[in-house]
Amino acid sequence: DSGVTQTPKHLITATGQRVTLRCSPRSGDLSVYWYQQSLDQGLQFLIQYYNGEERAKGNILERFSAQQFPDLHSELNLSSLELGDSALYFCASSAQGLAGEYNEQFFGPGTRLTVL
Amino acid sequence: GQQLNQSPQSMFIQEGEDVSMNCTSSSIFNTWLWYKQEPGEGPVLLIALYKAGELTSNGRLTAQFGITRKDSFLNISASIPSDVGIYFCACPTTSGTYKYIFGTGTRLKVLA
Repeated sequence: DSGVTQTPKHLITATGQRVTLRCSPRSGDLSVYWYQQSLDQGLQFLIQYYNGEERAKGNILERFSAQQFPDLHSELNLSSLELGDSALYFCASSAQGLAGEYNEQFFGPGTRLTVL
Repeated sequence: GQQLNQSPQSMFIQEGEDVSMNCTSSSIFNTWLWYKQEPGEGPVLLIALYKAGELTSNGRLTAQFGITRKDSFLNISASIPSDVGIYFCACPTTSGTYKYIFGTGTRLKVLA
C-alpha cells in the first residue's frame, strides 16, 4: 500500500458527460500529480499541484481541469467526455526535499474510466 | 527535452533466470527511480537511487545509479512467475519544471 488513495476504482459513463476523480496523497506529501495511461501505453503526465497551487502542466486537454484543496486532496475533472478518454488515471504524490528537490513518487491504485 | 531510453522493450525468460534491464539518457539526473506495474494496477516503487555509483538492493532486486549520472540498471535474480509486469525507470527533471520523466518500460514475462 503506497498510502495514496484514489476513488472511485472504476467509472463507466457516456460520451458528453462529466466526471470527477478524487485523490488523497500520502500523509505529509504536498505534491500531487495526475497521469493518464491508455491501453498498453506509457504514463502521460497531465498536471501537478503543490500545496494547493498549480506547479506544472503536461499534455492536459482544455476539457480537463484539476485542483488541490486545503486538506491537500486533489480532484481531476473531466468534461465533455469522448471515447478516447477511456483510460487509467493515476494520482501520485511526493514530498519535497529540504533543497527543493523532488524525490520518490508514490502512485495510487488508479481509476479506470470507461466512456461508452 | 530530457528523455529516458529503456531496454530491452520486452523479455521472455525462464523461471530461475536472472534479468537485467537498463535505462540511459543524454541528460544528467540526480535521482533514479525504478517501478514495477502489473496490469490494471498503479506503478509500485521498487528502488530509489540518489548518488552516482550507488548500488542498492531490495530482496532479489539490485539497482545501480551510473557513475556518469546518465544511466541506471536494474537486475532481478532468480526470477519467479510473480515478477511478471512492466518495469519503468523514472527521474525527477532537473530543469526546474517539477515533473518526472518515465522510461518506455521493459515488459517482463516469466515462463514457469
